[in-house]
Amino acid sequence: KNEVEQSPQNLTAQEGEFITINCSYSVGISALHWLQQHPGGGIVSLFMLSSGKKKHGRLIATINIQEKHSSLHITASHPRDSAVYICAVETSGSRLTFGEGTQLTVNP
Amino acid sequence: SAVISQKPSRDICQRGTSLTIQCQVDSQVTMMFWYRQQPGQSLTLIATANQGSEATYESGFVIDKFPISRPNLTFSTLTVSNMSPEDSSIYLCSVNRGNTEAFFGQGTRLTVV
Repeated sequence: KNEVEQSPQNLTAQEGEFITINCSYSVGISALHWLQQHPGGGIVSLFMLSSGKKKHGRLIATINIQEKHSSLHITASHPRDSAVYICAVETSGSRLTFGEGTQLTVNP
Repeated sequence: SAVISQKPSRDICQRGTSLTIQCQVDSQVTMMFWYRQQPGQSLTLIATANQGSEATYESGFVIDKFPISRPNLTFSTLTVSNMSPEDSSIYLCSVNRGNTEAFFGQGTRLTVV
C-alpha cells in the first residue's frame, strides 16, 4: 500500500462544476502539500498545510490530522484548471512523498 | 519564495551517453532534492544534495548512475550516466526549507533512443 493515496485517479468535469480531490496518508507528517503539474512537466505549489484550511482564489485545501486525510476543492471550475494535481506529504528531513496524482480535465 | 531555473528543458539522447541537468536557485538553500518521474507515474526521490557533503541516495539509485554535484548553496547538477531507454523520464529539482512551500524547477524531459 502506498504511503500516500489519492482519489480519483482521473476526473472529468464540466466548466463551472465544484471539484473535490482526496488524499489519504499513512505516515506521520509535518506538513502536506498540494501541487499542480501541467503537461509540460513543470510543478507549481498550490498549498502547504499543517492544520485546518487554506483558501486561495477558487481553490480550497483542508486537512484533518487525526484522520490523516486532506481534500483539495476547486469552485467554479474552468478549462484552464485542467492539469494533474498531486498530494505530497512532508516527513523527516523535509523529504516529500508523493501521491500518484489526479488527472483533471475540465470541459467547456 | 525561491525561483529555480532548470535546464535543459528537454533533450533526446543516444543510449550509452550521459546528460547533465543543471538547477540554479535564486537564493541560498541548504538542501536540494532531485526527483524522477517516469511516464504515467508520480515523482520518486533520487537523492538529496547537500552543500559541502556527498549526496544522499535513495534505495535503488546509485552515485555511479546519477552523480550529483553541489558546489555552492545556489546550484546543483544531476548527471544521468550511460543512459538506456528506461531512463526516459522527467527529472526535476526542488527546494523545500521544511514546513514551507516547496519549489520546483521546470523539469527536464529526457528521451533516450
